[in-house]
Amino acid sequence: AQSVAQPEDQVNVAEGNPLTVKCTYSVSGNPYLFWYVQYPNRGLQFLLKYITGDNLVKGSYGFEAEFNKSQTSFHLKKPSALVSDSALYFCAVEVGQNFVFGPGTRLSVLP
Amino acid sequence: GAVVSQHPSRVICKSGTSVKIECRSLDFQATTMFWYRQFPKKSLMLMATSNEGSKATYEQGVEKDKFLINHASLTLSTLTVTSAHPEDSSFYICSASRGGSLGETQYFGPGTRLLVL
Repeated sequence: AQSVAQPEDQVNVAEGNPLTVKCTYSVSGNPYLFWYVQYPNRGLQFLLKYITGDNLVKGSYGFEAEFNKSQTSFHLKKPSALVSDSALYFCAVEVGQNFVFGPGTRLSVLP
Repeated sequence: GAVVSQHPSRVICKSGTSVKIECRSLDFQATTMFWYRQFPKKSLMLMATSNEGSKATYEQGVEKDKFLINHASLTLSTLTVTSAHPEDSSFYICSASRGGSLGETQYFGPGTRLLVL
């Protein structure tokens, strides 16, 4: 069965420090990978996606993610965190006709 | 964890017919539900926010008369695609929130794949 794991429920980071939100997946076939962010009382917003090509993908708000096929990971990163980055982050995978979300990671950026 | 179901999981219909998709929160009361649409290789697009007992809030560019949303109870929201056309073929996902305090997390349904012939 297809699955997406985000091993950390909560990530805390100080403003200005780099941040990483982890995502690993278990799928058969070649996946398309996505990151979404959810701010309080709002729907998901698209951050970035990997379909093919360069393993390092750059997205909105200064975020980037690196696709690592051997480790089946797609970690979200940002070099310098902002307090306004505090939100819920969801990793998602599309394989064939299936679209699967991870459980989400709550990011708190402390001033 | 919380469970959200969608029914049907797949539907094929003829052009011009209407299709209803149900989203249910099985073990919690959802004051807010969201409806998304996803095209292959594309990101999710938020269509509307559904609040129990009030009218849905539609995102810009989404036709409210075509995509009817009803959130009649705390455990059920429905999306009706009226007079469906082939371009409405897509993957529709709902998510549910318990609501209440800020930052309440979302729980996603498994999605409904719609094919309009």
